Amino acid sequence: NAGVMQNPRHLVRRRGQEARLRCSPMKGHSHVYWYRQLPEEGLKFMVYLQKENIIDESGMPKERFSAEFPKEGPSILRIQQVVRGDSAAYFCASSTSMGETQYFGPGTRLLVL
Amino acid sequence: QQQVKQSPQSLIVQKGGISIINCAYENTAFDYFPWYQQFPGKGPALLIAIRPDVSEKKEGRFTISFNKSAKQFSLHIMDSQPGDSATYFCAASKEGGSEKLVFGKGTKLTVNP
Repeated sequence: NAGVMQNPRHLVRRRGQEARLRCSPMKGHSHVYWYRQLPEEGLKFMVYLQKENIIDESGMPKERFSAEFPKEGPSILRIQQVVRGDSAAYFCASSTSMGETQYFGPGTRLLVL
Repeated sequence: QQQVKQSPQSLIVQKGGISIINCAYENTAFDYFPWYQQFPGKGPALLIAIRPDVSEKKEGRFTISFNKSAKQFSLHIMDSQPGDSATYFCAASKEGGSEKLVFGKGTKLTVNP
């Protein structure tokens, strides 16, 4: 059973470009969470989604960031007009509809030049 | 506001020793407390988790001790091995873990051979 998959693993963008991060949850998981980790810091919650619904986006910056989890396909975290401060590791986690254990993917490391 | 405080920031132990990492939380609504292990360049992996209806949970060399009245919980790694060298994060969540995880800032553990 494949784990949580994220791609790309590394992404380099110039300031002002768009970044799209993709997350495929574990098979049978319908809940997706996105977290951001700055260097030498813990993980900070960004958004929690179920299929076609955003459940909690209290950790998302109000501008430039958006997330979706369509009926078909992976969850997407989109960052428009990236700035250097967006450089971080972005992790996706998934869980079953019963909740509890969140399983993390390997992360996407975003570098903004 | 940091809802989960973790200490120490870094820890060095000798092979065979006991590693102890402590966490304290503020929100009494938290009811699920997992510990994650993260190696450089990897995603966090669930190590062990506890709910507040028990005071201790042991899995192999890893033990969580939980003090509900003090709002504290700790991870004990017995017979620490060089392969345990990693960053450890405590976390807390509501609704049995189905809501967002609030992470501590992490403890970098080094086990010397």
